[in-house]
Amino acid sequence: KQEVTQIPAALSVPEGENLVLNCSFTDSAIYNLQWFRQDPGKGLTSLLLIQSSQREQTSGRLNASLDKSSGRSTLYIAASQPGDSATYLCAVQGGSEKLVFGKGMKLTVNP
Amino acid sequence: EAGVTQSPTHLIKTRGQQATLRCSPISGHTSVYWYQQALGLGLQFLLWYDEGEERNRGNFPPRFSGRQFPNYSSELNVNALELEDSALYLCASSPMQYYSNQPQHFGDGTRLSIL
Repeated sequence: KQEVTQIPAALSVPEGENLVLNCSFTDSAIYNLQWFRQDPGKGLTSLLLIQSSQREQTSGRLNASLDKSSGRSTLYIAASQPGDSATYLCAVQGGSEKLVFGKGMKLTVNP
Repeated sequence: EAGVTQSPTHLIKTRGQQATLRCSPISGHTSVYWYQQALGLGLQFLLWYDEGEERNRGNFPPRFSGRQFPNYSSELNVNALELEDSALYLCASSPMQYYSNQPQHFGDGTRLSIL
């Protein structure tokens, strides 16, 4: 059974810091890994999708890497801003098409 | 392009009642997924529909059911509501999957509260 872990559960940083969010998964037989952002009371916004054959993806200030063999992914946020405050979720997709999510990391960026 | 839309935004029911939640996928998407986000439990996969058929379901009792219509919109029905069904129910859509590595796009959810 696939399990996804995100540690720590919460992080509070001053504005401008570069951040690394971690995600680990137990079964390396995945098709892709997605990083999402969730604002309070809202749905999920897809940030980046990394296919199993890829090592990393970039979008603006975000960079996500994937090491499938070790079951790890990181989301790098450069020059954090208060608007980046949200819960960040990592999810992996295997052969059953469903996404298996971590419990998320609540990020607070203080001005 | 309109995103995934869900209705209603909020739904309040009492124990034992039935709830119906609705989802309209992004135009051109044939797959619809339902997830439950309960406090403290994280996001759990509920159901996957594609081309009108149920393709997979998560570890939920049979009182959670749904269907997908010819226009690819979907309903989630929850019968005999229990207090622990209180959660945010999220719908997602994607082009037909089967290993195509398409991202799932999520709606804003329906907040179901059981009194």
